[in-house]
Amino acid sequence: SQKIEQNSEALNIQEGKTATLTCNYTNYSPAYLQWYRQDPGRGPVFLLLIRENEKEKRKERLKVTFDTTLKQSLFHITASQPADSATYLCALLVSGTYKYIFGTGTRLKVLA
Amino acid sequence: EADIYQTPRYLVIGTGKKITLECSQTMGHDKMYWYQQDPGMELHLIHYSYGVNSTEKGDLSSESTVSRIRTEHFPLTLESARPSHTSQYLCASSEGGRRPYNEQFFGPGTRLTVL
Repeated sequence: SQKIEQNSEALNIQEGKTATLTCNYTNYSPAYLQWYRQDPGRGPVFLLLIRENEKEKRKERLKVTFDTTLKQSLFHITASQPADSATYLCALLVSGTYKYIFGTGTRLKVLA
Repeated sequence: EADIYQTPRYLVIGTGKKITLECSQTMGHDKMYWYQQDPGMELHLIHYSYGVNSTEKGDLSSESTVSRIRTEHFPLTLESARPSHTSQYLCASSEGGRRPYNEQFFGPGTRLTVL
């Protein structure tokens, strides 16, 4: 069955450093991948979309890579700030549908 | 700020009661979704709709039902609530058209507790 894995353990980093979060998938060949941010008690908020033919996408301090050979996406936050502390979810589009499968998310904590 | 609303935000109810969770969006989006999320777990799709009078079950088996009579409204109903239904319910919407990769806008969620 299709499976998405994100680091289940929380990631703690120092303010100003680059945070790197991982999204691995198996039994799947998605054409699109999205990253969302979710704060406690709230719904996810869309951050970035990357297509299978794009190796990298940037938006301000955010960068996403998509390696279809490794079946992996990396999500980077440069110059991290305490306000970046949240859970980050990756989501893969199920081919031929409008449905997305979500990972469990990685909780990021940026220490001041 | 996404214009998608869910009510109630919190609901504590006894076993066997019928409940309806409301979801409305003012963006004119054709696609709407209901997800269930337990603490620290992934979102599971339980229902979705591509437009008025179109509803489909998602990947997670659910005893709930949905309706889509108006574009902006996508309520979810549990005929007889059970403790196993205790969870966070998230509603989302996205634009229509042929693009399958449109971002989803999420509501704030309804935290349901069934005693």
